[in-house]
Amino acid sequence: DTGVSQDPRHKITKRGQNVTFRCDPISEHNRLYWYRQTLGQGPEFLTYFQNEAQLEKSRLLSDRFSAERPKGSFSTLEIQRTEQGDSAMYLCASSLSSGTDTQYFGPGTRLTVL
Amino acid sequence: EDKVVQSPLSLVVHEGDTVTLNCSYEVTNFRSLLWYKQEKKAPTFLFMLTSSGIEKKSGRLSSILDKKELSSILNITATQTGDSAIYLCAPSHGGSYIPTFGRGTSLIVHP
Repeated sequence: DTGVSQDPRHKITKRGQNVTFRCDPISEHNRLYWYRQTLGQGPEFLTYFQNEAQLEKSRLLSDRFSAERPKGSFSTLEIQRTEQGDSAMYLCASSLSSGTDTQYFGPGTRLTVL
Repeated sequence: EDKVVQSPLSLVVHEGDTVTLNCSYEVTNFRSLLWYKQEKKAPTFLFMLTSSGIEKKSGRLSSILDKKELSSILNITATQTGDSAIYLCAPSHGGSYIPTFGRGTSLIVHP
């Protein structure tokens, strides 16, 4: 257990529904990252925050994806109008911003879109 | 576009064998390279490498970076069944710290 938690751990939804995932980082970490991982691939970067500022969001997969970190602590990732191709593991990671690149990953949320 | 190539993609060995996993990269504004181990869950951190030629060790695992060759290797000696996992390599960018992950090497260690 790295100290990063994600909720829910599994989500099954029907195509067209909206889903929201939550990530709670390690408390002193001010950087928070979201990734998507599909079978046989490494994690694919989506977006990241430093405190409450979203510093990179151009790699979110489409405008159906959005993320927030309103108070610089927990973050949410929302997918609107889900599609079957969104089925994947969504990982969150956190790190300190002071000169270390080491990211600590949460257990992930596995999304299945029927 | 950033590229990370890991080889081999999969490897099957017996306990006690030594393995070498390779990672080559093309990343703009390279800052560091990280190795992670992923079992049936999220990746766990192994090493961060920033300087060429300096070996990092943790027990039976060791890793080294070659910035001239844009590559890194991860060695595991005296493998155990608990080493069975996917090993991910991820070079990161300066400033943003955004890593680009390779597809990983799947290691299976048989008793």
